[in-house]
Amino acid sequence: GDSVTQMEGPVTLSEEAFLTINCTYTATGYPSLFWYVQYPGEGLQLLLKATKADDKGSNKGFEATYRKETTSFHLEKGSVQVSDSAVYFCALKEPYSTLTFGKGTMLLVSP
Amino acid sequence: ETGVTQSPTHLIKTRGQQVTLRCSSQSGHNTVSWYQQALGQGPQFIFQYYREEENGRGNFPPRFSGLQFPNYSSELNVNALELDDSALYLCASSLDQDSPLHFGNGTRLTVT
Repeated sequence: GDSVTQMEGPVTLSEEAFLTINCTYTATGYPSLFWYVQYPGEGLQLLLKATKADDKGSNKGFEATYRKETTSFHLEKGSVQVSDSAVYFCALKEPYSTLTFGKGTMLLVSP
Repeated sequence: ETGVTQSPTHLIKTRGQQVTLRCSSQSGHNTVSWYQQALGQGPQFIFQYYREEENGRGNFPPRFSGLQFPNYSSELNVNALELDDSALYLCASSLDQDSPLHFGNGTRLTVT
């Protein structure tokens, strides 16, 4: 079945540092890939998505590229802010199926 | 545009009791999905409703049941609560079965 594997956290960075959160997936078909963010006490917000191989999703300075050859969708940001501290979830969705999430990676950014 | 709203925000129940969680979909959305998020874990799919019919179910026992109403709001019912049912329950609505999900802030259920 489908699955998503994310790097374990927490990831601890200083403000303005470069961020990478690794995500790899296993899927039977041709899924769409997503990154969701969860701030403390809140639900999930869609951060970015990519629907086919080599697509790059981007939003709020974050970006991720759909790499079919390595089955990866790593999240990157060039300069993190304290306000980026949250839990980040990688997820996939096959057509007419449901979202499958990874376990989440906590990001802590200090001033 | 009103987003997805869930009630209550927090709930404490005793093992063996029953609970009902409620969700109001975003305007125009006819599909509702429910997820269980245990502490430190990613959300796990419980089931999905499309136009008042169950349209997919995850690996959850029958004591987890749901309803979707004509206005597309939804309920999640859990019978015979167990300690492991303690989690954040997330509702998400979408325009249809293949559109992006919009999540509510969840209901935090604690079973003692």
